[in-house]
Amino acid sequence: AQSVTQLDSHVSVSEGTPVLLRCNYSSSYSPSLFWYVQHPNKGLQLLLKYTSAATLVKGINGFEAEFKKSETSFHLTKPSAHMSDAAEYFCVVSGGATGNQFYFGTGTSLTVIP
Amino acid sequence: GAVVSQHPSWVICKSGTSVKIECRSLDFQATTMFWYRQFPKQSLMLMATSNEGSKATYEQGVEKDKFLINHASLTLSTLTVTSAHPEDSSFYICSARDHGVGVDYEQYFGPGTRLTVT
Repeated sequence: AQSVTQLDSHVSVSEGTPVLLRCNYSSSYSPSLFWYVQHPNKGLQLLLKYTSAATLVKGINGFEAEFKKSETSFHLTKPSAHMSDAAEYFCVVSGGATGNQFYFGTGTSLTVIP
Repeated sequence: GAVVSQHPSWVICKSGTSVKIECRSLDFQATTMFWYRQFPKQSLMLMATSNEGSKATYEQGVEKDKFLINHASLTLSTLTVTSAHPEDSSFYICSARDHGVGVDYEQYFGPGTRLTVT
């Protein structure tokens, strides 16, 4: 079975400081992992994805994530937060018999303090 | 990039009526589309997997007779909420998988449809 656990429901950082959003996964298969961002009243936007290539994945807007199999983690980081980063972030693992289905974490709300 | 649209973006209906939500892949073909439901400040819950030309696969606990899904073409899936009740009020999001891009499990999400049942 596949599942993800986002360890923090809410993270607050000051503008210009690093961002760390934590995600642990469980998967019966070699997982594909994703981070999506959702701004208020907007659709989901893909930040980055891991699909068994390089373990350090770089995404859009300066975000990156590292796949650590030994820790079953896929934490999202950014060196310097920007006000526009304030949003809801979802960690997702794909799975199911065909790999089609997405399993969403409960989300982390990121607040950026000016 | 791959774009998925939804229509309408917001709908208000009276209790007991039915509402149809459309999900379209605009620049790619999607043999598989997904329907999610999101409650306020909560995560997305997969409702069903919609396969072009065949019946949808519903997740456990989702009433197939209440949430009718039709995937009649490679670019269109519809979700009809039948005999809607206030508890059906929610944010409904669709996504589509681009089967023209090798083995890629990425899903492209629509902007969502907010349904309010009065």
